[in-house]
Amino acid sequence: QVQLVQSGAEVKKPGSSVKVSCRASGVSFNTYPVNWVRQAPGQGLEWMGAITPLSGAKNFAHKFQGRLTITADGSPASIYMDLSSLTSEDTAIYFCAVKGGGHCIGGDCYSLDFWGPGTLVIVSS
Amino acid sequence: QSVLTQPPSASGTPGQRVTISCSGSNSNIGRNAVNWYQVIPGVAPRLLIYGSYQRPSGIPDRFSASKSGTSASLAISGLQSDDESDYYCAAWDDSLSGFYVFGTGTRVTVL
Repeated sequence: QVQLVQSGAEVKKPGSSVKVSCRASGVSFNTYPVNWVRQAPGQGLEWMGAITPLSGAKNFAHKFQGRLTITADGSPASIYMDLSSLTSEDTAIYFCAVKGGGHCIGGDCYSLDFWGPGTLVIVSS
Repeated sequence: QSVLTQPPSASGTPGQRVTISCSGSNSNIGRNAVNWYQVIPGVAPRLLIYGSYQRPSGIPDRFSASKSGTSASLAISGLQSDDESDYYCAAWDDSLSGFYVFGTGTRVTVL
């Protein structure tokens, strides 16, 4: 039984940072990119970035570069998403997601079979 | 702003077939596989199609997809009330240092 577990909801002040965690049971995080995707109220899905724990390789969406940090820690890995300089536009549900298995190369490794339940982040003064 | 463009809405009556388009470019759909996701509010997204054409286990064969050049499409046949939700295409984009991108999303309504 594959399950992704995320940390709980957060309420943050504008200008502060938020750190959301994701850990897996029943699937290995190590070889596939672990992705962070968010959905703001009334908006679409937005890919933020990913880390492949085994290699440490990271990719980021251009708009988040400079204020998004993704790290992996431990074995089995927990994945952390740290977003700084928060504004009200960062209010969203944040999901971690990963491919479930099978061989893949490059972009094929981003078919996201398993998703966490989401973490609500509210940015408000 | 997404580089994958979808129509904002689509609709059909129960039993009908609905098709959703996804338009991209050479750096994404033109070179890489397309994935499709179903999103129901309050629930984590569900992968419907991977590798442009493949269904994960558990996804009914009412869902099918195709790709040609820099465009892709998702078809839902035998439309059911449970199919009413948002649908997103997605693909890896090779430009810049590489990134994954979701389409603009299509809301499917069952009339």
